[in-house]
Amino acid sequence: GNSVTQMEGPVTLSEEAFLTINCTYTATGYPSLFWYVQYPGEGLQLLLKATKADDKGSNKGFEATYRKETTSFHLEKGSVQVSDSAVYFCALRSGSRLTFGEGTQLTVNP
Amino acid sequence: DARVTQTPRDKVTEMGQEVTMRCQPILGHNTVFWYRQTMMQGLELLAYFRNRAPLDDSGMPKDRFSAEMPDATLATLKIQPSEPRDSAVYFCASGPGGANTGELFFGEGSRLTVL
Repeated sequence: GNSVTQMEGPVTLSEEAFLTINCTYTATGYPSLFWYVQYPGEGLQLLLKATKADDKGSNKGFEATYRKETTSFHLEKGSVQVSDSAVYFCALRSGSRLTFGEGTQLTVNP
Repeated sequence: DARVTQTPRDKVTEMGQEVTMRCQPILGHNTVFWYRQTMMQGLELLAYFRNRAPLDDSGMPKDRFSAEMPDATLATLKIQPSEPRDSAVYFCASGPGGANTGELFFGEGSRLTVL
């Protein structure tokens, strides 16, 4: 079946540090890949997506590239801000279903 | 500003009581999902609907949970009887389907505490 594995958290960084959150997946066929973000007390919001191999999704300074050869979709940001503190979820879509990873808690300190 | 609306935001109840959570999806979205979030299990898909028809409820304990869409503007998730292990945040999400399937819009969640 389909599955998504994220790096374990929590991740704590200082402001302006470089961020990488690893995500790998297992799926049949060619899934679409997503990153969602959940701020405290809120529901998830779509951050970025990629629908085919080598696509790069980007939004708000975050980027992730769909790597079919390594079945990965790592999230990166060059310089994090305190306001980026949240839980980040990697997800894949196969058919109509979204399968989410466990989530990675990110805390950015001033 | 279109958004998914969930009620109640917070619910505290006693074991054995019936709990009903409601969701108003975004107008025009034809897929609706119910997720449960806990610290231990993360996000679990309970049920989902397309064009109001239930497509998958395999993640839902059938003996006590039920999910319905009486019309296109309302989705409900009912627990009867509730148990302490049902304590969680329940999220409803809707999506436009089609080429944008996977782009879900989540409500703010209903936090359920069963004593």
